[in-house]
Amino acid sequence: AQRVTQPEKLLSVFKGAPVELKCNYSYSGSPELFWYVQYSRQRLQLLLRHISRESIKGFTADLNKGETSFHLKKPFAQEEDSAMYYCALSATQGGGNKLTFGTGTQLKVEL
Amino acid sequence: DTGVSQDPRHKITKRGQNVTFRCDPISEHNRLYWYRQTLGQGPEFLTYFQNEAQLEKSRLLSDRFSAERPKGSFSTLEIQRTEQGDSAMYLCASSSTAPGGEQYFGPGTRLTVT
Repeated sequence: AQRVTQPEKLLSVFKGAPVELKCNYSYSGSPELFWYVQYSRQRLQLLLRHISRESIKGFTADLNKGETSFHLKKPFAQEEDSAMYYCALSATQGGGNKLTFGTGTQLKVEL
Repeated sequence: DTGVSQDPRHKITKRGQNVTFRCDPISEHNRLYWYRQTLGQGPEFLTYFQNEAQLEKSRLLSDRFSAERPKGSFSTLEIQRTEQGDSAMYLCASSSTAPGGEQYFGPGTRLTVT
């Protein structure tokens, strides 16, 4: 069975400070990991995925298979980053790419 | 195409009543997913379709729940004999069949069972 853990329900940082949203997973195979974001009054949308290895809106995430982690990082937080962030895992063998989500972390960027 | 749409956006019903939700995916997407999200939790997978075939159902999907996608386009999710525990946000998503294909989510239907 697959599981995604986001230990922080709320993360509050000041504008310009570094951000790290933690995500750990358990899965016996080789997973695909994603970060989804939900801004206030908007629908859930993909922020980034580990296979693309790209930076979106200044955010990056590296898959660490040894630590089974996929932490989301940004060097300088902006006010517009305030949102709910979900880490998600997709099994690579079968399952039709269904997603298993963590419980989410609310990021609040204060001025 | 304005993305995945869901109808209704909100539904209040009394315990024991039946409700039906509709999802219209992005037109070229073969896969359609239903998730449920309760307060303080992330979305939980319920079921998914590839074209008109329902390929997987979660154990969360009790016998009171049924989903269809009769022509491989829109999908409906019906809950019979609703219970207060069914109160949640029901999310629909669609994707292509490409490995790791991005799932695009709809706005959700918020169900409140009184």
